[in-house]
Amino acid sequence: NAGVTQTPKFQVLKTGQSMTLQCAQDMNHEYMSWYRQDPGMGLRLIHYSVGAGITDQGEVPNGYNVSRSTTEDFPLRLLSAAPSQTSVYFCATKNRVVSMGYTFGSGTRLTVV
Amino acid sequence: TQLLEQSPQFLSIQEGENLTVYCNSSSVFSSLQWYRQEPGEGPVLLVTVVTGGEVKKLKRLTFQFGDARKDSSLHITAAQPGDTGLYLCAGVKDSGNTPLVFGKGTRLSVIA
Repeated sequence: NAGVTQTPKFQVLKTGQSMTLQCAQDMNHEYMSWYRQDPGMGLRLIHYSVGAGITDQGEVPNGYNVSRSTTEDFPLRLLSAAPSQTSVYFCATKNRVVSMGYTFGSGTRLTVV
Repeated sequence: TQLLEQSPQFLSIQEGENLTVYCNSSSVFSSLQWYRQEPGEGPVLLVTVVTGGEVKKLKRLTFQFGDARKDSSLHITAAQPGDTGLYLCAGVKDSGNTPLVFGKGTRLSVIA
């Protein structure tokens, strides 16, 4: 039982490049979300999904795209990387029960130069 | 505007001391959660509180949800070096599909 798997763990991009951060879960959780974590800023929500085929924007969605074609996968796409997107990205999942906590992946550390 | 305000931002204490971390908001939450995060890892859930006035204990950690469901506290008794980490509070505003919002965290260092 792997839980939440994020790949890659580290990535360096040049400004203007695009890439996809992968998130896969094997817990059949309906909710999946992407957060970015920056020093002094805490965790900020980028996009989230309450089920396959349904996505919505969070607090800081600009420059990112998501899709949810299956329950298991929720990729995050950077369309044209900017230095301001240098951050640690976390994928988090939970099931439908409100009182259940989120399960986080171990993160992707992204540097845009 | 930060929906959840955590204090203090940083805390450095000696082993054996007690401490309290606060999580405050002007908004009502249907539930609040506390997470602990260690370097290079994702946050790990410690507890969820859902009822106003609720108190939950996890070994030396005591969590309380305010009566009005706008605030929460985490109290650690006799802190140990293994308690060192980033403590995050997070809340869900209603019982529907509202996503989790986080405070900025409290970085705790317990010195042996």
